[in-house]
Amino acid sequence: DAMVIQNPRYQVTQFGKPVTLSCSQTLNHNVMYWYQQKSSQAPKLLFHYYDKDFNNEADTPDNFQSRRPNTSFCFLDIRSPGLGDAAMYLCATSFDHGTRPYNEQFFGPGTRLTVL
Amino acid sequence: AQSVSQHNHHVILSEAASLELGCNYSYGGTVNLFWYVQYPGQHLQLLLKYFSGDPLVKGIKGFEAEFIKSKFSFNLRKPSVQWSDTAEYFCASIGGYQKVTFGTGTKLQVIP
Repeated sequence: DAMVIQNPRYQVTQFGKPVTLSCSQTLNHNVMYWYQQKSSQAPKLLFHYYDKDFNNEADTPDNFQSRRPNTSFCFLDIRSPGLGDAAMYLCATSFDHGTRPYNEQFFGPGTRLTVL
Repeated sequence: AQSVSQHNHHVILSEAASLELGCNYSYGGTVNLFWYVQYPGQHLQLLLKYFSGDPLVKGIKGFEAEFIKSKFSFNLRKPSVQWSDTAEYFCASIGGYQKVTFGTGTKLQVIP
């Protein structure tokens, strides 16, 4: 089945130690998103790729970076994780054909990040 | 800037009760509206979506939502809830430049 896969499902890192989360998709969607979701809060969009074009949200800290080497893969790099970065990180994809209406997003299961 | 607000943060219902979860959006342009559900321990899934046309939208699992432009609302409804509907429900909109905004979510607990 076509899907959005996130690895690992659980990640433990130390304060200040860089960490990379990965997302892959078999849907061949051209848009990929990264969200941060803290307990009992709405998913917060960090950034998204429209094809190779990177779109950063204005309030996303510089500590968060992303790479999309090809259509299928997207990575979230947290350069120096702080305690406040502990959260669930969600990857999502959608297909944008360039005109409205915008299609829905397909979400992966998320990676739960713990910072010690 | 677009925003989405959900009025109810936590709703508790008995099985067979009717459900209505509120969602209001603010955006000056054309919006595409969605309701997502997140069952315990599972990923976000699409319940239904509205783009244009018939303002009453049918989704999966017996859910529906009504888009009322004059009220900037897109409330989610289900005539008779089941224990398996226990989950968190998110309203979301996508506006220009693929800008996605989620509401804060409503936790629904259905008591058998």
